[in-house]
Amino acid sequence: GAVVSQHPSRVICKSGTSVKIECRSLDFQATTMFWYRQFPKQSLMLMATSNEGSKATYEQGVEKDKFLINHASLTLSTLTVTSAHPEDSSFYICSADTGNDHQPQHFGDGTRLSIL
Amino acid sequence: AQKITQTQPGMFVQEKEAVTLDCTYDTSDPSYGLFWYKQPSSGEMIFLIYQGSYDQQNATEGRYSLNFQKARKSANLVISASQLGDSAMYFCAMTQGGYQKVTFGTGTKLQVIP
Repeated sequence: GAVVSQHPSRVICKSGTSVKIECRSLDFQATTMFWYRQFPKQSLMLMATSNEGSKATYEQGVEKDKFLINHASLTLSTLTVTSAHPEDSSFYICSADTGNDHQPQHFGDGTRLSIL
Repeated sequence: AQKITQTQPGMFVQEKEAVTLDCTYDTSDPSYGLFWYKQPSSGEMIFLIYQGSYDQQNATEGRYSLNFQKARKSANLVISASQLGDSAMYFCAMTQGGYQKVTFGTGTKLQVIP
């Protein structure tokens, strides 16, 4: 089945650091990937839609300069949290679209980001 | 706009018993897809089952079945013969039209009791 790899699984860093999270589709090409944020005991909140070769589409209220998304190839999207602060601490998870209507997205295992 | 509602924040079930997790949805698009995902404490999202709006029969996948009642706009998940490993958060989700953008419900935390 389709596999999505997300790396790193856990990051702990100091305030002010920029953190890059990678999302790779290992055995299929994904023209569209999605980035979600999840607070403890809450649902997944879509942050942005990452489109290969074009700018990401951000959801309302998500700062595009804070959360930089790059989708340079059909198998890789990256999310960079710039100048991270403690309030950016969260669980970030990506998913990849196989291109088939109404088929399940395939999720990475998520990244737990802790900013000290 | 599409909307997913899960009214059960938490559920308990005895091991080996069946449990139903509720999900209702709202959309004006006649073409949509309904999904259930399981999220254990480790965080990964595990796809369980899918139901298309035009599917005539309820979806089944092993111990999972989806009770699809289109007129009521409900898509309840039934887990039969619960196992301790079924303890997790369960999310109902939806796509509509030809778009892959997924809307998630608030989730139900299921705890299986030995």
